[in-house]
This record gives sequence, structure tokens and C-alpha cells, in this order.
Amino acid sequence: NAGVTQTPKFQVLKTGQSMTLQCAQDMNHEYMSWYRQDPGMGLRLIHYSVGAGITDQGEVPNGYNVSRSTTEDFPLRLLSAAPSQTSVYFCASSLTGLGSYNEQFFGPGTRLTVL
Amino acid sequence: AQKVTQAQTEISVVEKEDVTLDCVYETRDTTYYLFWYKQPPSGELVFLIRRNSFDEQNEISGRYSWNFQKSTSSFNFTITASQVVDSAVYFCALRTSGNTGKLIFGQGTTLQVKP
Repeated sequence: NAGVTQTPKFQVLKTGQSMTLQCAQDMNHEYMSWYRQDPGMGLRLIHYSVGAGITDQGEVPNGYNVSRSTTEDFPLRLLSAAPSQTSVYFCASSLTGLGSYNEQFFGPGTRLTVL
Repeated sequence: AQKVTQAQTEISVVEKEDVTLDCVYETRDTTYYLFWYKQPPSGELVFLIRRNSFDEQNEISGRYSWNFQKSTSSFNFTITASQVVDSAVYFCALRTSGNTGKLIFGQGTTLQVKP
């Protein structure tokens, strides 16, 4: 049981490049989400999904796209990277989402630098 | 509005001292959930505890204890006889029943335990 996995661990992009951060979980969790962590700001929600085929925006969605074609995978796409997207990105999953008591399990994070 | 405030940005203690990390939350919901996560220097987020709004019982787990007081909207975390391995960033988070399922994080408290 690998839990929540993320790839890559580190990435450096140039402004304007696009890329996809991968996230997968093997716990059959319905709910998955992406957060970004910036110094002094805690973690902020980018996008989330309550199940395969269903996604919605979080607090800071601009510049990011997501899709959820399977229960296991929830990739995050940066369309045209900007320096403001330099951050540490965490993927998380939980058994269910809305109104849920269940804790979220976090992946190890991806450290992204945009030059 | 929902908000979590961790007023202590950084705390430094000497090993074996007791330390309390403060967390104050704001929500108008009557049903909500509170969490603490630990982020050690390696960067991953580790779930520590959750509490729902109907359960004000304090909890002790080894050297860790949590004090939940609805009257003051606080969910404080105490480490007794701190150890160097407790050095980490600690996040308090709030999840309400009617929102996106997202965790609303505080800014985090960096705890340094010196030998």
C-alpha cells in the first residue's frame, strides 16, 4: 500500500512552459485534492475532486487545470508556468470529502521552481 | 468566514521543556472538524489528530495532548517533555461540513527543540 504518491519530487521550469504534476493513490479514496504551500501562508486549495469525472475549483485555481478520469489518478496541469507558481505542491486524498470527518492523507510533495 | 489562526510563528525550547502550540479558529457552522498536522524537515505532512465539534473531550497520546474549548474557539496542542525529534512545523486545520471538503490551514508554527 503506497498511499499517495507524487511525481516528480523536484522540477524547474522556465516561464511559459507547461507541465503536469502526477498524483496517484491506491486506497480507493473518493476525494482527492491539490494544495500549494507558500511560506507563511499554510496550505491553500487549488482544485479538488469528489470522484472520478468530477472536479471543482478551490481557493487558488487560476493557471491550473485538473481532470479525474480514474479513482486513482488526479494530475495537476500548469498551462503556462509563471514565477508566482513557484511553490511546494501537495496532493491529498481521503475516503470521502464533503462534510467528512476523515483525515486527508498527503503525498510527499513536489517542489516547483519557475524561472 | 472560516479562518484558522496560529499566532505563534516560531517557538524555540530546550529539550524536556513542555510547549503549547495555540490554535484559534473561526466558523459559523455548528458541525466542523479540527485537525493537527506535523511537517518535519523532510517535508511530508503527517496527520496527528482530529476532533469534531461535538466532542470536547481532551485527548492524550503519549507526550502529546490536545485541549479543545468551544467557548474560546481554541484547539491547542501541548507536547510534554519535548524532544529534538519534535522539531517541525505544526499546522492546525479546520474542515466544515458544508464546504468543499477543503482543509483551511493556519499559517503554521515552527517548533525548534534544542538539545
